[in-house]
Amino acid sequence: AQSVAQPEDQVNVAEGNPLTVKCTYSVSGNPYLFWYVQYPNRGLQFLLKYITGDNLVKGSYGFEAEFNKSQTSFHLKKPSALVSDSALYFCAVRGEGSYIPTFGRGTSLIVHP
Amino acid sequence: NAGVMQNPRHLVRRRGQEARLRCSPMKGHSHVYWYRQLPEEGLKFMVYLQKENIIDESGMPKERFSAEFPKEGPSILRIQQVVRGDSAAYFCASSPPGQGGNEQFFGPGTRLTVL
Repeated sequence: AQSVAQPEDQVNVAEGNPLTVKCTYSVSGNPYLFWYVQYPNRGLQFLLKYITGDNLVKGSYGFEAEFNKSQTSFHLKKPSALVSDSALYFCAVRGEGSYIPTFGRGTSLIVHP
Repeated sequence: NAGVMQNPRHLVRRRGQEARLRCSPMKGHSHVYWYRQLPEEGLKFMVYLQKENIIDESGMPKERFSAEFPKEGPSILRIQQVVRGDSAAYFCASSPPGQGGNEQFFGPGTRLTVL
């Protein structure tokens, strides 16, 4: 079985400050990890993924995520938040032997001007 | 290369009617997934299909719901005899062949409202 936890329903940050959106996972074997962003009334949009290799993964719009195997975490980060980053963020995991990813419940990021 | 297309974008049905949701995957993608999204509940997997085959329908209710992905044409999610609890946003996603770490590409969704 595989599962994802996003412990924060909402994250508030001031524009220009660094942001972190947390994600922990559980999966058998090696994980494939993903972050997606959803703007209002839109579908999910892929941000970045970890398959193998460097633990720090860089993605779209200046976002990055750090894979930590010992803590089974894949937190999303950005050094300097923008108001336009305000959206719903989803973490997802898929085990090596699975076609179907499991999504977290989502974290609403609000960046204040 | 057009993205994943879904239609209609908004669908209103009365209780007891049928809802038919369509999804055209990205060109070259043979894997299609359907999800349902409700406020406060995140994204729930419903069904995974490849051309002409249902691979996993473990997330789909046994009654009233069905899905297909024919050899030609879009994937269809069909809900018969809709009830108010079916009101939600339904998203389709596609990915290319292969079991590797492929990300999914999502359509804009169909928002179903049951009166």
